Amino acid sequence: QKEVEQDPGPLSVPEGAIVSLNCTYSNSAFQYFMWYRQYSRKGPELLMYTYSSGNKEDGRFTAQVDKSSKYISLFIRDSQPSDSATYLCAMSANAGGTSYGKLTFGQGTILTVHP
Amino acid sequence: DARVTQTPRHKVTEMGQEVTMRCQPILGHNTVFWYRQTMMQGLELLAYFRNRAPLDDSGMPKDRFSAEMPDATLATLKIQPSEPRDSAVYFCASGRIPVSAGGHSYEQYFGPGTRLTVT
Repeated sequence: QKEVEQDPGPLSVPEGAIVSLNCTYSNSAFQYFMWYRQYSRKGPELLMYTYSSGNKEDGRFTAQVDKSSKYISLFIRDSQPSDSATYLCAMSANAGGTSYGKLTFGQGTILTVHP
Repeated sequence: DARVTQTPRHKVTEMGQEVTMRCQPILGHNTVFWYRQTMMQGLELLAYFRNRAPLDDSGMPKDRFSAEMPDATLATLKIQPSEPRDSAVYFCASGRIPVSAGGHSYEQYFGPGTRLTVT
């Protein structure tokens, strides 16, 4: 079983829909949670970053972390065709030594927003 | 506009040939990562350098893969000999990662990737 599980989809929604993307994880040491967006044939780029539990909002995007359930979510409101991409969750433990900065990624969810 | 650069962007080679991929991290970043991305496995960490010193290469097949950072502006990933199962997109990422715990950013900036096809 992988440390981070993410449904690869694909997910197809109409423009304007609310999109919910999720990841579950098994390592209770994870404390830093990120969402990356990857357009086709491009490198991933950081979208949202959260430390420990709670919510964070940035424009149309909201990231939620529930450490008790080992579950993180990304919500996209008023989705646009330009949001069509692969969304990857990533996590890092606040551990010593060589673990600093090491990210464990989910499989990625392919999202298509159609006009 | 600082960014990570990778060369070549595309590489097609025959099984058994040597492949070298290069990465120029963002100036001032102290940490460089090499990843491999495939449809089946997703994004996998191969190797990881901090201040040019290798910290973790446990994700890399040691018999054929090697990663080095000869200076602060260049990281290399070499496959010798290459095999068809090595076909993937290889990403380099860099970041300014702290060496101690705390509420710091762990943001990694990814390059555009090298798309490798081994026939």
